[in-house]
Amino acid sequence: DAKTTQPPSMDCAEGRAANLPCNHSTISGNEYVYWYRQIHSQGPQYIIHGLKNNETNEMASLIITEDRKSSTLILPHATLRDTAVYYCIVGSGGSNYKLTFGKGTLLTVNP
Amino acid sequence: DAGITQSPRYKITETGRQVTLMCHQTWSHSYMFWYRQDLGHGLRLIYYSAAADITDKGEVPDGYVVSRSKTENFPLTLESATRSQTSVYFCASRAGPVGHNEQFFGPGTRLTVL
Repeated sequence: DAKTTQPPSMDCAEGRAANLPCNHSTISGNEYVYWYRQIHSQGPQYIIHGLKNNETNEMASLIITEDRKSSTLILPHATLRDTAVYYCIVGSGGSNYKLTFGKGTLLTVNP
Repeated sequence: DAGITQSPRYKITETGRQVTLMCHQTWSHSYMFWYRQDLGHGLRLIYYSAAADITDKGEVPDGYVVSRSKTENFPLTLESATRSQTSVYFCASRAGPVGHNEQFFGPGTRLTVL
């Protein structure tokens, strides 16, 4: 699996957009970008995933660069409940069903 | 209730004892996983299962045993617990191999080995 690089921590003001970057320069053509988050002491929660195109769901938007070497997770209106560790993971959507979690980014949303 | 559950949620045991952590999912998902998470680290895969009676090792399998006689259950056994196995254990499930890789995680079991 391709490795990812994320900043260890970020801060965001409540109500503002949180933009979490991720570098995955060794991503291969059939690998997806997945984002999960883990709120303190809870199990990780799936947020969104994408292959090439930008994606949006009720939780977030995922922007993938054209060369696919980096991506940004956007939480459009961050709330205090969005404070969590966010994991950017690259993996195949096919038979390679193992996700490799790194250390992620601790996002702290401040009032 | 629908979803994925783990039991017990908290467990304290002693070195050398056998411990079994239970995981149950109600979606009939084919794939199930066990991860451990140590303080300050990300999740590491212990074992996974693609279907009933099919299991395989993950990144850190030593000292653990799994079984999957039924699709909905995936117990994890520490045959002789060691202090280094003190950790938070998460079980997860996934519908299938094709398409996206969304895994659903349980609430975790916090295990302390004295």
